[in-house]
Amino acid sequence: GIQVEQSPPDLILQEGANSTLRCNFSDSVNNLQWFHQNPWGQLINLFYIPSGTKQNGRLSATTVATERYSLLYISSSQTTDSGVYFCAVSGNTGGFKTIFGAGTRLFVKA
Amino acid sequence: DSGVTQTPKHLITATGQRVTLRCSPRSGDLSVYWYQQSLDQGLQFLIQYYNGEERAKGNILERFSAQQFPDLHSELNLSSLELGDSALYFCASSSRGTAGNEKLFFGSGTQLSVL
Repeated sequence: GIQVEQSPPDLILQEGANSTLRCNFSDSVNNLQWFHQNPWGQLINLFYIPSGTKQNGRLSATTVATERYSLLYISSSQTTDSGVYFCAVSGNTGGFKTIFGAGTRLFVKA
Repeated sequence: DSGVTQTPKHLITATGQRVTLRCSPRSGDLSVYWYQQSLDQGLQFLIQYYNGEERAKGNILERFSAQQFPDLHSELNLSSLELGDSALYFCASSSRGTAGNEKLFFGSGTQLSVL
């Protein structure tokens, strides 16, 4: 099946800093999503982005499907951005099951 | 609020017991997915139902089973529980069931503790 690798595994930022989270995947995909799991455990869908670039406020994401990676940008980070960010992909390999990476754990300090 | 409802939020039980987790998808969504999140395994896909029929199977143990009812709610049954089954169980829904091409919306999860 598709393998998903996220980096870095952990990230500590000072409030106001910018960051880039990366997701690499091993095979072609037709779906890529970014999720934020907040400290209360809730999984929130940030982006559905199989290719191209999208922006939503301070967050933006870019997927380069031909090179098998996606990037999530967080600008002017806030303490409420803390949590775990997951990349999830699905494709022909694996029967279109949505597979999650191990996540990037982000802590934003005030 | 994603619109996906899971009950109960917390469940504490003993080894060897059986429990049922319930999920109501977003209004209009036909597909339901179950995921298990544990500290050592991350988020693991268990099973997907689309309009009452099993669509895809992941790493679901034989002791676990699921079904989707005519009103589209789903139940995940976990039996002969072991300590290692302690985890956060998520339900997600999507509109058509072609998970390869649409967004997933997650419920708030059921935290299962097996003592």
